[in-house]
Amino acid sequence: QLQLQESGPGLVKPSETLSLTCSVSGGSISNGPYFWVWIRQSPGKGLEWIASIFYRGSTYYNPSLESRLTISMDTSMNQFSLKLNSVAAADTAVYYCARHPPCGGGHSCTFDYWGQGALVTVSS
Amino acid sequence: QSALTQPPSASGSPGQSVTISCTGTSSDVGAYNYVSWYQQYPGKAPKLMISDVSKRPSGVPDRFSGSKSGNTASLTISGLQPEDEGDYYCGSYTGNSYFFGTGTKVTVL
Repeated sequence: QLQLQESGPGLVKPSETLSLTCSVSGGSISNGPYFWVWIRQSPGKGLEWIASIFYRGSTYYNPSLESRLTISMDTSMNQFSLKLNSVAAADTAVYYCARHPPCGGGHSCTFDYWGQGALVTVSS
Repeated sequence: QSALTQPPSASGSPGQSVTISCTGTSSDVGAYNYVSWYQQYPGKAPKLMISDVSKRPSGVPDRFSGSKSGNTASLTISGLQPEDEGDYYCGSYTGNSYFFGTGTKVTVL
């Protein structure tokens, strides 16, 4: 059974960089054809897709956050990571990592596996 | 573009049916048969309930069903159970990104 687990600092100061890692077990992130994804949920608010990385390394970003984002993967560690720089209070959220099969080609276009989420608070 | 529009709340008594709508545009919900529905309990991660408008993953009760007409998708819970109380979010692929709905809180009376 595929399992995803987020890790990283729970508190980040304003203007600094938020860094999170998602460790994947029960399957290899380098075995396609999946996208590995970050999604966030601000307190009491809805879900927001942040970024995706395809198993071959191509990246996709939410246009509203793109200038501050980097998503990467480390296949040797079976992990993928997110960096969000110049954070502000509005970036306070629970950050989820998830898996997304490619849309079409017999795959379901959806987030089918999720991590439990990691709360990141931006505060001085 | 902004989030897909859902009603803030919906409710029903046990055994009744509840339908939640998810309204987007011709660029997202209307363009693709790639609408999903997620159930979320407080403090927990979302759980996939419906994918590709109407596909139910293994283990999801058959009282959950999905449909779509034009730019609006719907989730119907037939035979509402106490454990169905929670937040429900729709989501739609948009070609180069993904949008979620505003969320609907389902209350079992």
